[in-house]
Amino acid sequence: DIQMTQSPSSLSASVGDRVTITCRASQSISNYLNWYQQKTGKAPKLLICAASSLQNGVPSRFSGSGSGTDFTLTISSLQPEDFATYYCQQSSSTPYTFGQGTKLEIK
Amino acid sequence: QVQLQESGPGLVKPSETLSLTCTVSGYSISSGYYWGWIRQPPGKGLEWIGSIYHSGTTYYNPSLKSRVTISVDTSKNQFSLNLSSVTAADTAVYYCARDRGGSGSYWDEWGKGTTVTVSS
Repeated sequence: DIQMTQSPSSLSASVGDRVTITCRASQSISNYLNWYQQKTGKAPKLLICAASSLQNGVPSRFSGSGSGTDFTLTISSLQPEDFATYYCQQSSSTPYTFGQGTKLEIK
Repeated sequence: QVQLQESGPGLVKPSETLSLTCTVSGYSISSGYYWGWIRQPPGKGLEWIGSIYHSGTTYYNPSLKSRVTISVDTSKNQFSLNLSSVTAADTAVYYCARDRGGSGSYWDEWGKGTTVTVSS
């Protein structure tokens, strides 16, 4: 199985901050990397697919980059509604696997 | 607007079979896409269980494959999950989702999730 490792596991930041979350795959996954946002008690929401393709309706302050084994999710200017847990997920090969999550909290 | 809704028992006894159904509205399963199940134990991360195409083709997480069956009923626009021989480790929120399928797959529409507790 491909292991996905996110860092940091948790992060405290303020409204307006620029935040970057990193995801590393245990082997090359090309650009088959997706990012989800999950708020407490809610289903995950797809933000970005194929490493950098923003889903319709997702604010442009979210962006993704990377290929191979190293990927990043950047939020350019944190808004109050962005405080949540973020997961990366690889779809290069089954079993599809997720990172352990990064919990973004208000400082 | 696509909507997915999970349904099924919230409590299952150890060693029994967990059975859930996902009802899709706003989109015909027969039109395409894969349809999948993902679960999340309390306070933990996400785990893909498996997915099914409208034709019935399935693919499962090998860690669960011996206990999992996913089926589809296009006449009811539903797909279902059966997980046999459950233990407390199967206690989780279970989500159904639309799966784009194949390499580059992602889940773009999700149900709200249903909590299943395994306990006697």
